[in-house]
Amino acid sequence: GIQVEQSPPDLILQEGANSTLRCNFSDSVNNLQWFHQNPWGQLINLFYIPSGTKQNGRLSATTVATERYSLLYISSSQTTDSGVYFCAVRRNQGGKLIFGQGTELSVKP
Amino acid sequence: GAVVSQHPSWVICKSGTSVKIECRSLDFQATTMFWYRQFPKQSLMLMATSNEGSKATYEQGVEKDKFLINHASLTLSTLTVTSAHPEDSSFYICSARDPGQGRDEQFFGPGTRLTVL
Repeated sequence: GIQVEQSPPDLILQEGANSTLRCNFSDSVNNLQWFHQNPWGQLINLFYIPSGTKQNGRLSATTVATERYSLLYISSSQTTDSGVYFCAVRRNQGGKLIFGQGTELSVKP
Repeated sequence: GAVVSQHPSWVICKSGTSVKIECRSLDFQATTMFWYRQFPKQSLMLMATSNEGSKATYEQGVEKDKFLINHASLTLSTLTVTSAHPEDSSFYICSARDPGQGRDEQFFGPGTRLTVL
């Protein structure tokens, strides 16, 4: 099956810093999503981005489908950005959404 | 985005009892819902795919008699953990796709934390 690898596994930032999270996947996909799991466990949809670039406030994401990776950028990080960031992919319509192992982000005040 | 709810948000039960978890799509109809399990500091693992009006499809290694799934309507799926044991303690999360979005995006409920004593 398709493999999803996220890096780094852990990241500690000072408030106000910028960061880049990476997601590599082993096969072509028709769906890629980025999620933020908050400390209470809720997964929040950040981006649906099978290809291209999107921006939402301080967050942006880029997926280069031909090279099988996606990047999540967080600018001017805040303590509320803390939590685990997951990348998940689906190979085809109706298939399973496969998750990476996540990046645990801790933003210090 | 689409909203998915779960109930209860947490439950503590004695070993040997059964626990039912409900998953609802609040503002859309979901012909397919998904049940995931997450252990501390780990990623989400798909347990089963729940199809409205038909039997669920379980992932390899998931006991269908232990984790009963019913998808009786287009807005409700239930997961029943039968004869729960301490090793079943985990965070259970349901998910659904909103076909009205016109794309293949999946939305998640807030999760149910199960503790079996």
